[in-house]
Amino acid sequence: AQTVTQSQPEMSVQEAETVTLSCTYDTSENNYYLFWYKQPPSRQMILVIRQEAYKQQNATENRFSVNFQKAAKSFSLKISDSQLGDTAMYFCAFAGWDTGNQFYFGTGTSLTVIP
Amino acid sequence: DTGVSQNPRHKITKRGQNVTFRCDPISEHNRLYWYRQTLGQGPEFLTYFQNEAQLEKSRLLSDRFSAERPKGSFSTLEIQRTEQGDSAMYLCASTRGRRTGEAFFGQGTRLTVV
Repeated sequence: AQTVTQSQPEMSVQEAETVTLSCTYDTSENNYYLFWYKQPPSRQMILVIRQEAYKQQNATENRFSVNFQKAAKSFSLKISDSQLGDTAMYFCAFAGWDTGNQFYFGTGTSLTVIP
Repeated sequence: DTGVSQNPRHKITKRGQNVTFRCDPISEHNRLYWYRQTLGQGPEFLTYFQNEAQLEKSRLLSDRFSAERPKGSFSTLEIQRTEQGDSAMYLCASTRGRRTGEAFFGQGTRLTVV
């Protein structure tokens, strides 16, 4: 079975600073996707960034980047130049190519950006 | 393309009553998922459809829960004889298919059983 672990229930960061959210996962699959989703208060979940496991290059999306360490099964999210709108719950998620019937989510990290 | 739509947004019901939620996925998406999310937790998988076929159900989906997706379009999730433990956010998501990457989520239906 696939598991996703987020060990930081809450984090805070000063506006314009950089913060890193941690995620580890466990799987026996070789091909899969990893995602970071953002869920603002009372709003829908939206994709922040995704990584295909077969790609060695870390994904980046503007201020968001990941550090994907496949051997260590680690997938952290770095948010640069934090903005107030980044305040949200962040969920790490896994979807296997071979067992791609569902997305497995971590328990989330609540990020607060402090003005 | 208006994204994934869920109705109602909120539902308050008395214990023992039946409730039904609706999800309209993105039109070209053939996979549809239902998830449940409780406070402080990540979404937990309930079931998914490939077109109109329900291909997998979680053990979380008790006999009181039933989901349908007639004609492979919208989907409904019904909970019979609701219990207080059913109180949660019910999320719907859709994807184009297998190995296509991200799932697109609706805003969810928040169920409160009193």
